[in-house]
Amino acid sequence: DVVMTQTPVSLSVSLGGQVSISCRSSQSLVHNNGNTYLSWYLQKPGQSPQLLIYKVSNRFSGISDRFSGSGSGTDFTLKISRVEPDDLGVYYCGQGTQYPLTFGSGTKLEIK
Amino acid sequence: QVQLEESGPGLMQPSETLSLTCTVSGFSLTSNGVGWVRQPLGKGLVWMGTIWAGGSTNYNSAVQSRLSISRDTSKSQVFLKMNSLQPEDTGTYYCARHVGQLGDWGQGVMVTVSS
Repeated sequence: DVVMTQTPVSLSVSLGGQVSISCRSSQSLVHNNGNTYLSWYLQKPGQSPQLLIYKVSNRFSGISDRFSGSGSGTDFTLKISRVEPDDLGVYYCGQGTQYPLTFGSGTKLEIK
Repeated sequence: QVQLEESGPGLMQPSETLSLTCTVSGFSLTSNGVGWVRQPLGKGLVWMGTIWAGGSTNYNSAVQSRLSISRDTSKSQVFLKMNSLQPEDTGTYYCARHVGQLGDWGQGVMVTVSS
């Protein structure tokens, strides 16, 4: 199985600040079809996960441009700019290139 | 708009068979896949399996021998059945539209396996 390693485990940021979350996969996430199926999800407290970013850098419908994804191969980054109170929760990266789909263990974002 | 809603029993006994239903609206099951994801309390996400638009399925090998995912397209419903339940199967079960990535998610259903 592809192991997804996220860092840091948690971070604290001031409102209006910027944060980056790293995600590294144990194998390349480039699919045979040329796509890289790396996604980012946010699970707010008491809610189900929601898709933020798919295929590395594409924002899902309705997602603010404060969220951006980048990376390639095995190294990926989620950046959140101008952090707002509603951004708190646990962020997960996930891969859909190989079965089984796997997720990172999560990064908890707290607001200072 | 796209909606998914999970339903099923909240409490199960060890060795029983779990049956969950995901009722979808706003999209067609013949054009979209639906996946199931489990989340143990306070822990991370585990993909269990997906039924694709054409009706084929893929399962996580960790649960493949106990898991079956099926659907009724006329009712816009996807079903999860998992036998031989154990306490470690306790958690929240989510269904999500699966088109390359897990896009829209349901609110989840909590399942507790305990004697």
